[in-house]
Amino acid sequence: AQTVTQSQPEMSVQEAETVTLSCTYDTSENNYYLFWYKQPPSRQMILVIRQEAYKQQNATENRFSVNFQKAAKSFSLKISDSQLGDTAMYFCAFMSRVTGNQFYFGTGTSLTVIP
Amino acid sequence: EAGVVQSPRYKIIEKKQPVAFWCNPISGHNTLYWYLQNLGQGPELLIRYENEEAVDDSQLPKDRFSAERLKGVDSTLKIQPAELGDSAVYLCASSGSVEGYNEQFFGPGTRLTVL
Repeated sequence: AQTVTQSQPEMSVQEAETVTLSCTYDTSENNYYLFWYKQPPSRQMILVIRQEAYKQQNATENRFSVNFQKAAKSFSLKISDSQLGDTAMYFCAFMSRVTGNQFYFGTGTSLTVIP
Repeated sequence: EAGVVQSPRYKIIEKKQPVAFWCNPISGHNTLYWYLQNLGQGPELLIRYENEEAVDDSQLPKDRFSAERLKGVDSTLKIQPAELGDSAVYLCASSGSVEGYNEQFFGPGTRLTVL
């Protein structure tokens, strides 16, 4: 079975600074997707960024970028120019293309942006 | 485009009472998920449907939980009887193939409190 590990339960960052959230995963498969989801307080979960494992180029979405290290099975999220609205729980998720639509989530990192 | 709709948003019941949650996925999404999310934790899969077929219900406590997805669209999740430990947020999500991968969209969740 796939496992996803987020070793930072809580993090904080000053507004406008940069923060990196860590995620590692364990799989024997070669073809999969990785995702970062954001869940603001009392609001629903939304997709932040995704990465296809077969792509070597790191995904980027505006202020959000990933550092995907396939051999190390590491998938960190970098948030640049942090904003107050970035305060949320962040979940790393894995989806195997072999098993289709099965998602595996980490336990989350609670990020607080400090004004 | 309407997102994943869940109702009710909040539910408070006495233990041993029954409770039901309803989910309407995004139109055209064949895959529907029910997750349980405890406070400060990541979503844990309860059941996954492909159309009307439950393809993964290994984590569903079948002695008290049941689910159905008639006609492969809306779904209901039922707990009977509810126990104190069932207090959590119940998330519904749906996914459909977009550009060759399955992005998962979440509903707002139903927060259940069992007294």
